[in-house]
Amino acid sequence: GENVEQHPSTLSVQEGDSAVIKCTYSDSASNYFPWYKQELGKRPQLIIDIRSNVGEKKDQRIAVTLNKTAKHFSLHITETQPEDSAVYFCAEGDNTILYSGGGADGLTFGKGTHLIIQP
Amino acid sequence: NAGVTQTPKFRVLKTGQSMTLLCAQDMNHEYMYWYRQDPGMGLRLIHYSVGEGTTAKGEVPDGYNVSRLKKQNFLLGLESAAPSQTSVYFCASSLRLAGVHEQYFGPGTRLTVT
Repeated sequence: GENVEQHPSTLSVQEGDSAVIKCTYSDSASNYFPWYKQELGKRPQLIIDIRSNVGEKKDQRIAVTLNKTAKHFSLHITETQPEDSAVYFCAEGDNTILYSGGGADGLTFGKGTHLIIQP
Repeated sequence: NAGVTQTPKFRVLKTGQSMTLLCAQDMNHEYMYWYRQDPGMGLRLIHYSVGEGTTAKGEVPDGYNVSRLKKQNFLLGLESAAPSQTSVYFCASSLRLAGVHEQYFGPGTRLTVT
């Protein structure tokens, strides 16, 4: 993986509204796109992921869309709740890469979005 | 299962001191990773291992060394700590390569170098 740009860095929405976080990537070989949620002082945890053979994936209030042509993917959270407040990280990787020792393995993360849910 | 654990949770070092961070996982995962997290920088890969006895460099390996003598443990060493290494360090593991299986993170180690 190479660069991953994530926007916005901070997002404030009213409780009940939707939130959208967007990421773009540069490596055309990327084919795995996970999203992690990190609450204050806690470890990152996977909330949803998508592979390049799928354009959209949903899990209750959370959905991820992928546009491989434009090299961007987005996280959508509907009906936001106070417990959705956290930092969200997008990431990209290539699950076809076997061990190469060249530093290109693992995930490349975006810089994170601080999502604030206003009561 | 404890999952991924890290020791210590907090540490303060003086410039030039050395220390080792320990990561342990009880999920029989092949792959293990060390990341550092700095404000506004996301998570950056330091080193990783694809199996016992193997290690490889990530995005920001300078100033760090690692060892994977046992499958369940992945050690991160700082030989001569510098203030630029003040950060939160996360270990992670996955069953296979990150793209095939989820990465599970440890609770983190907060390191301050004065």
